[in-house]
Order: sequence, then C-alpha cells, then structure tokens
Amino acid sequence: QSALTQPASVSGSPGQSITLSCTGTSSDVGAFNYVSWYQQHPGKVPKLIIYGVNNRPSGISDRFSGSKSANTASLTISGLQAEDEADYYCSSHTTANTRIFGGGTKVTVL
Amino acid sequence: QVHLVESGGGVVQPGRSLRLSCAASGFTFNNFAMHWVRQAPGKGLEWVAVIASDGSHGFEADSVKGRFTTSRDNTKNTLHLQMNSLTVEDSAVYYCARDSNSALPDYWGQGALVTVSS
Repeated sequence: QSALTQPASVSGSPGQSITLSCTGTSSDVGAFNYVSWYQQHPGKVPKLIIYGVNNRPSGISDRFSGSKSANTASLTISGLQAEDEADYYCSSHTTANTRIFGGGTKVTVL
Repeated sequence: QVHLVESGGGVVQPGRSLRLSCAASGFTFNNFAMHWVRQAPGKGLEWVAVIASDGSHGFEADSVKGRFTTSRDNTKNTLHLQMNSLTVEDSAVYYCARDSNSALPDYWGQGALVTVSS
C-alpha cells in the first residue's frame, strides 16, 4: 500500500498560520476517524500531537488543530513559532487493519 | 509515566535474523495493543506491525509480511519483533509504540538501530 500523500515542505513566518494536508483513499483516511499527526524534531522520537482527527493529547498546545474532509486530513498550526520547525507525519488506520503513514512534511519557520 | 525501551538492535548480514525486544512500564501492558514502526536513515516513518493486547492476533505491512513476526509476553511486559530473511532495505531505527484508543500509536520508545550489511 502506498504512503499517504503529504507535501514535502511547507513554510511560514512567525505568527502566521499554515495548513498541512494528508491525502489518502476511501480505504484509509476516508474510511475512519482514526487519523493521527506526529511531530518529529531532528534526532528525536516522534511525538503525538493530534489523534482521532481533531483531538489533542494533554499538554499539546491549542495552536495545533486537525480536521478531515473525505479522503484528506489536515493539520493547522496557528501562531507559528520557531519551535514548530520540524517534520510532521500523518497516519491512518486502514480497512485491512494495518496502519499507514504519510511521507512527511518539513515545516520551516522563515 | 509510560516508558518503552527497545533492545536487540545491531549489525547483521543480509539473509540473517534478528530479534528486537521492547520492555514496557508505567501502564497496564496487557490492556494495550502494541506497534512497531521503523525509520530508515534520513527517511520517513513506516508502519511495520501491530499485535493485539492479548497477543491473539496481529497484522503486518506488506513489506515485511512472511518475514517479520510480532509476539508479546504479558507476564513480563515485553514485546518482541522477530525479523527473518533481512535485506539492506530493512536497515532502520525500529520503534515500539503503544496503541492509543484511536487505533494508532501514542507513546514511543527511543528506538533500536538495525543495520543490515555484508
């Protein structure tokens, strides 16, 4: 199964809002409300920032929000900060009971 | 707090086998499914496998199906990944991760590096 499709890179200035997309199919993103987003800084372990499409774990800033429409999930980062510069991965449950990740998006804060 | 520690990584020749382990603590291990996820150097995350909380069944990615097997020992709070017929494409950091209530990983271990090289 091919990876979910994410843009390779997205950039923004401090204080701006950016939106990252994650496109799948009716067999994964479109089939369930089981989409998570992870933030990974260089050399670090991935960190869960959104689960169940639009839920934030305890301790995650409300500047991060998620949504989904049909086969595409989105992550919005509001009030962009320097510390948000990282790689972001989406992930989804699939109808085959497997899981799948996106290729990742590198966020650059200008 | 949730703590996951992988072990068993190293350098192995193509075609050989390796077994990774993941020691879990800080939560009720037998209440949660567990995942393996890998990341090749400089590359993105790739989901590898999941095993049910009671170990009764699991699912693997097509890229490892028939070569990798997950198992767990709930009496020892330990997860295993048996990797057979390894190829250079299997070289990666392997993470164990707990399944959240949304069917995807939440907490991750620090990872174990596996290098397949002759």
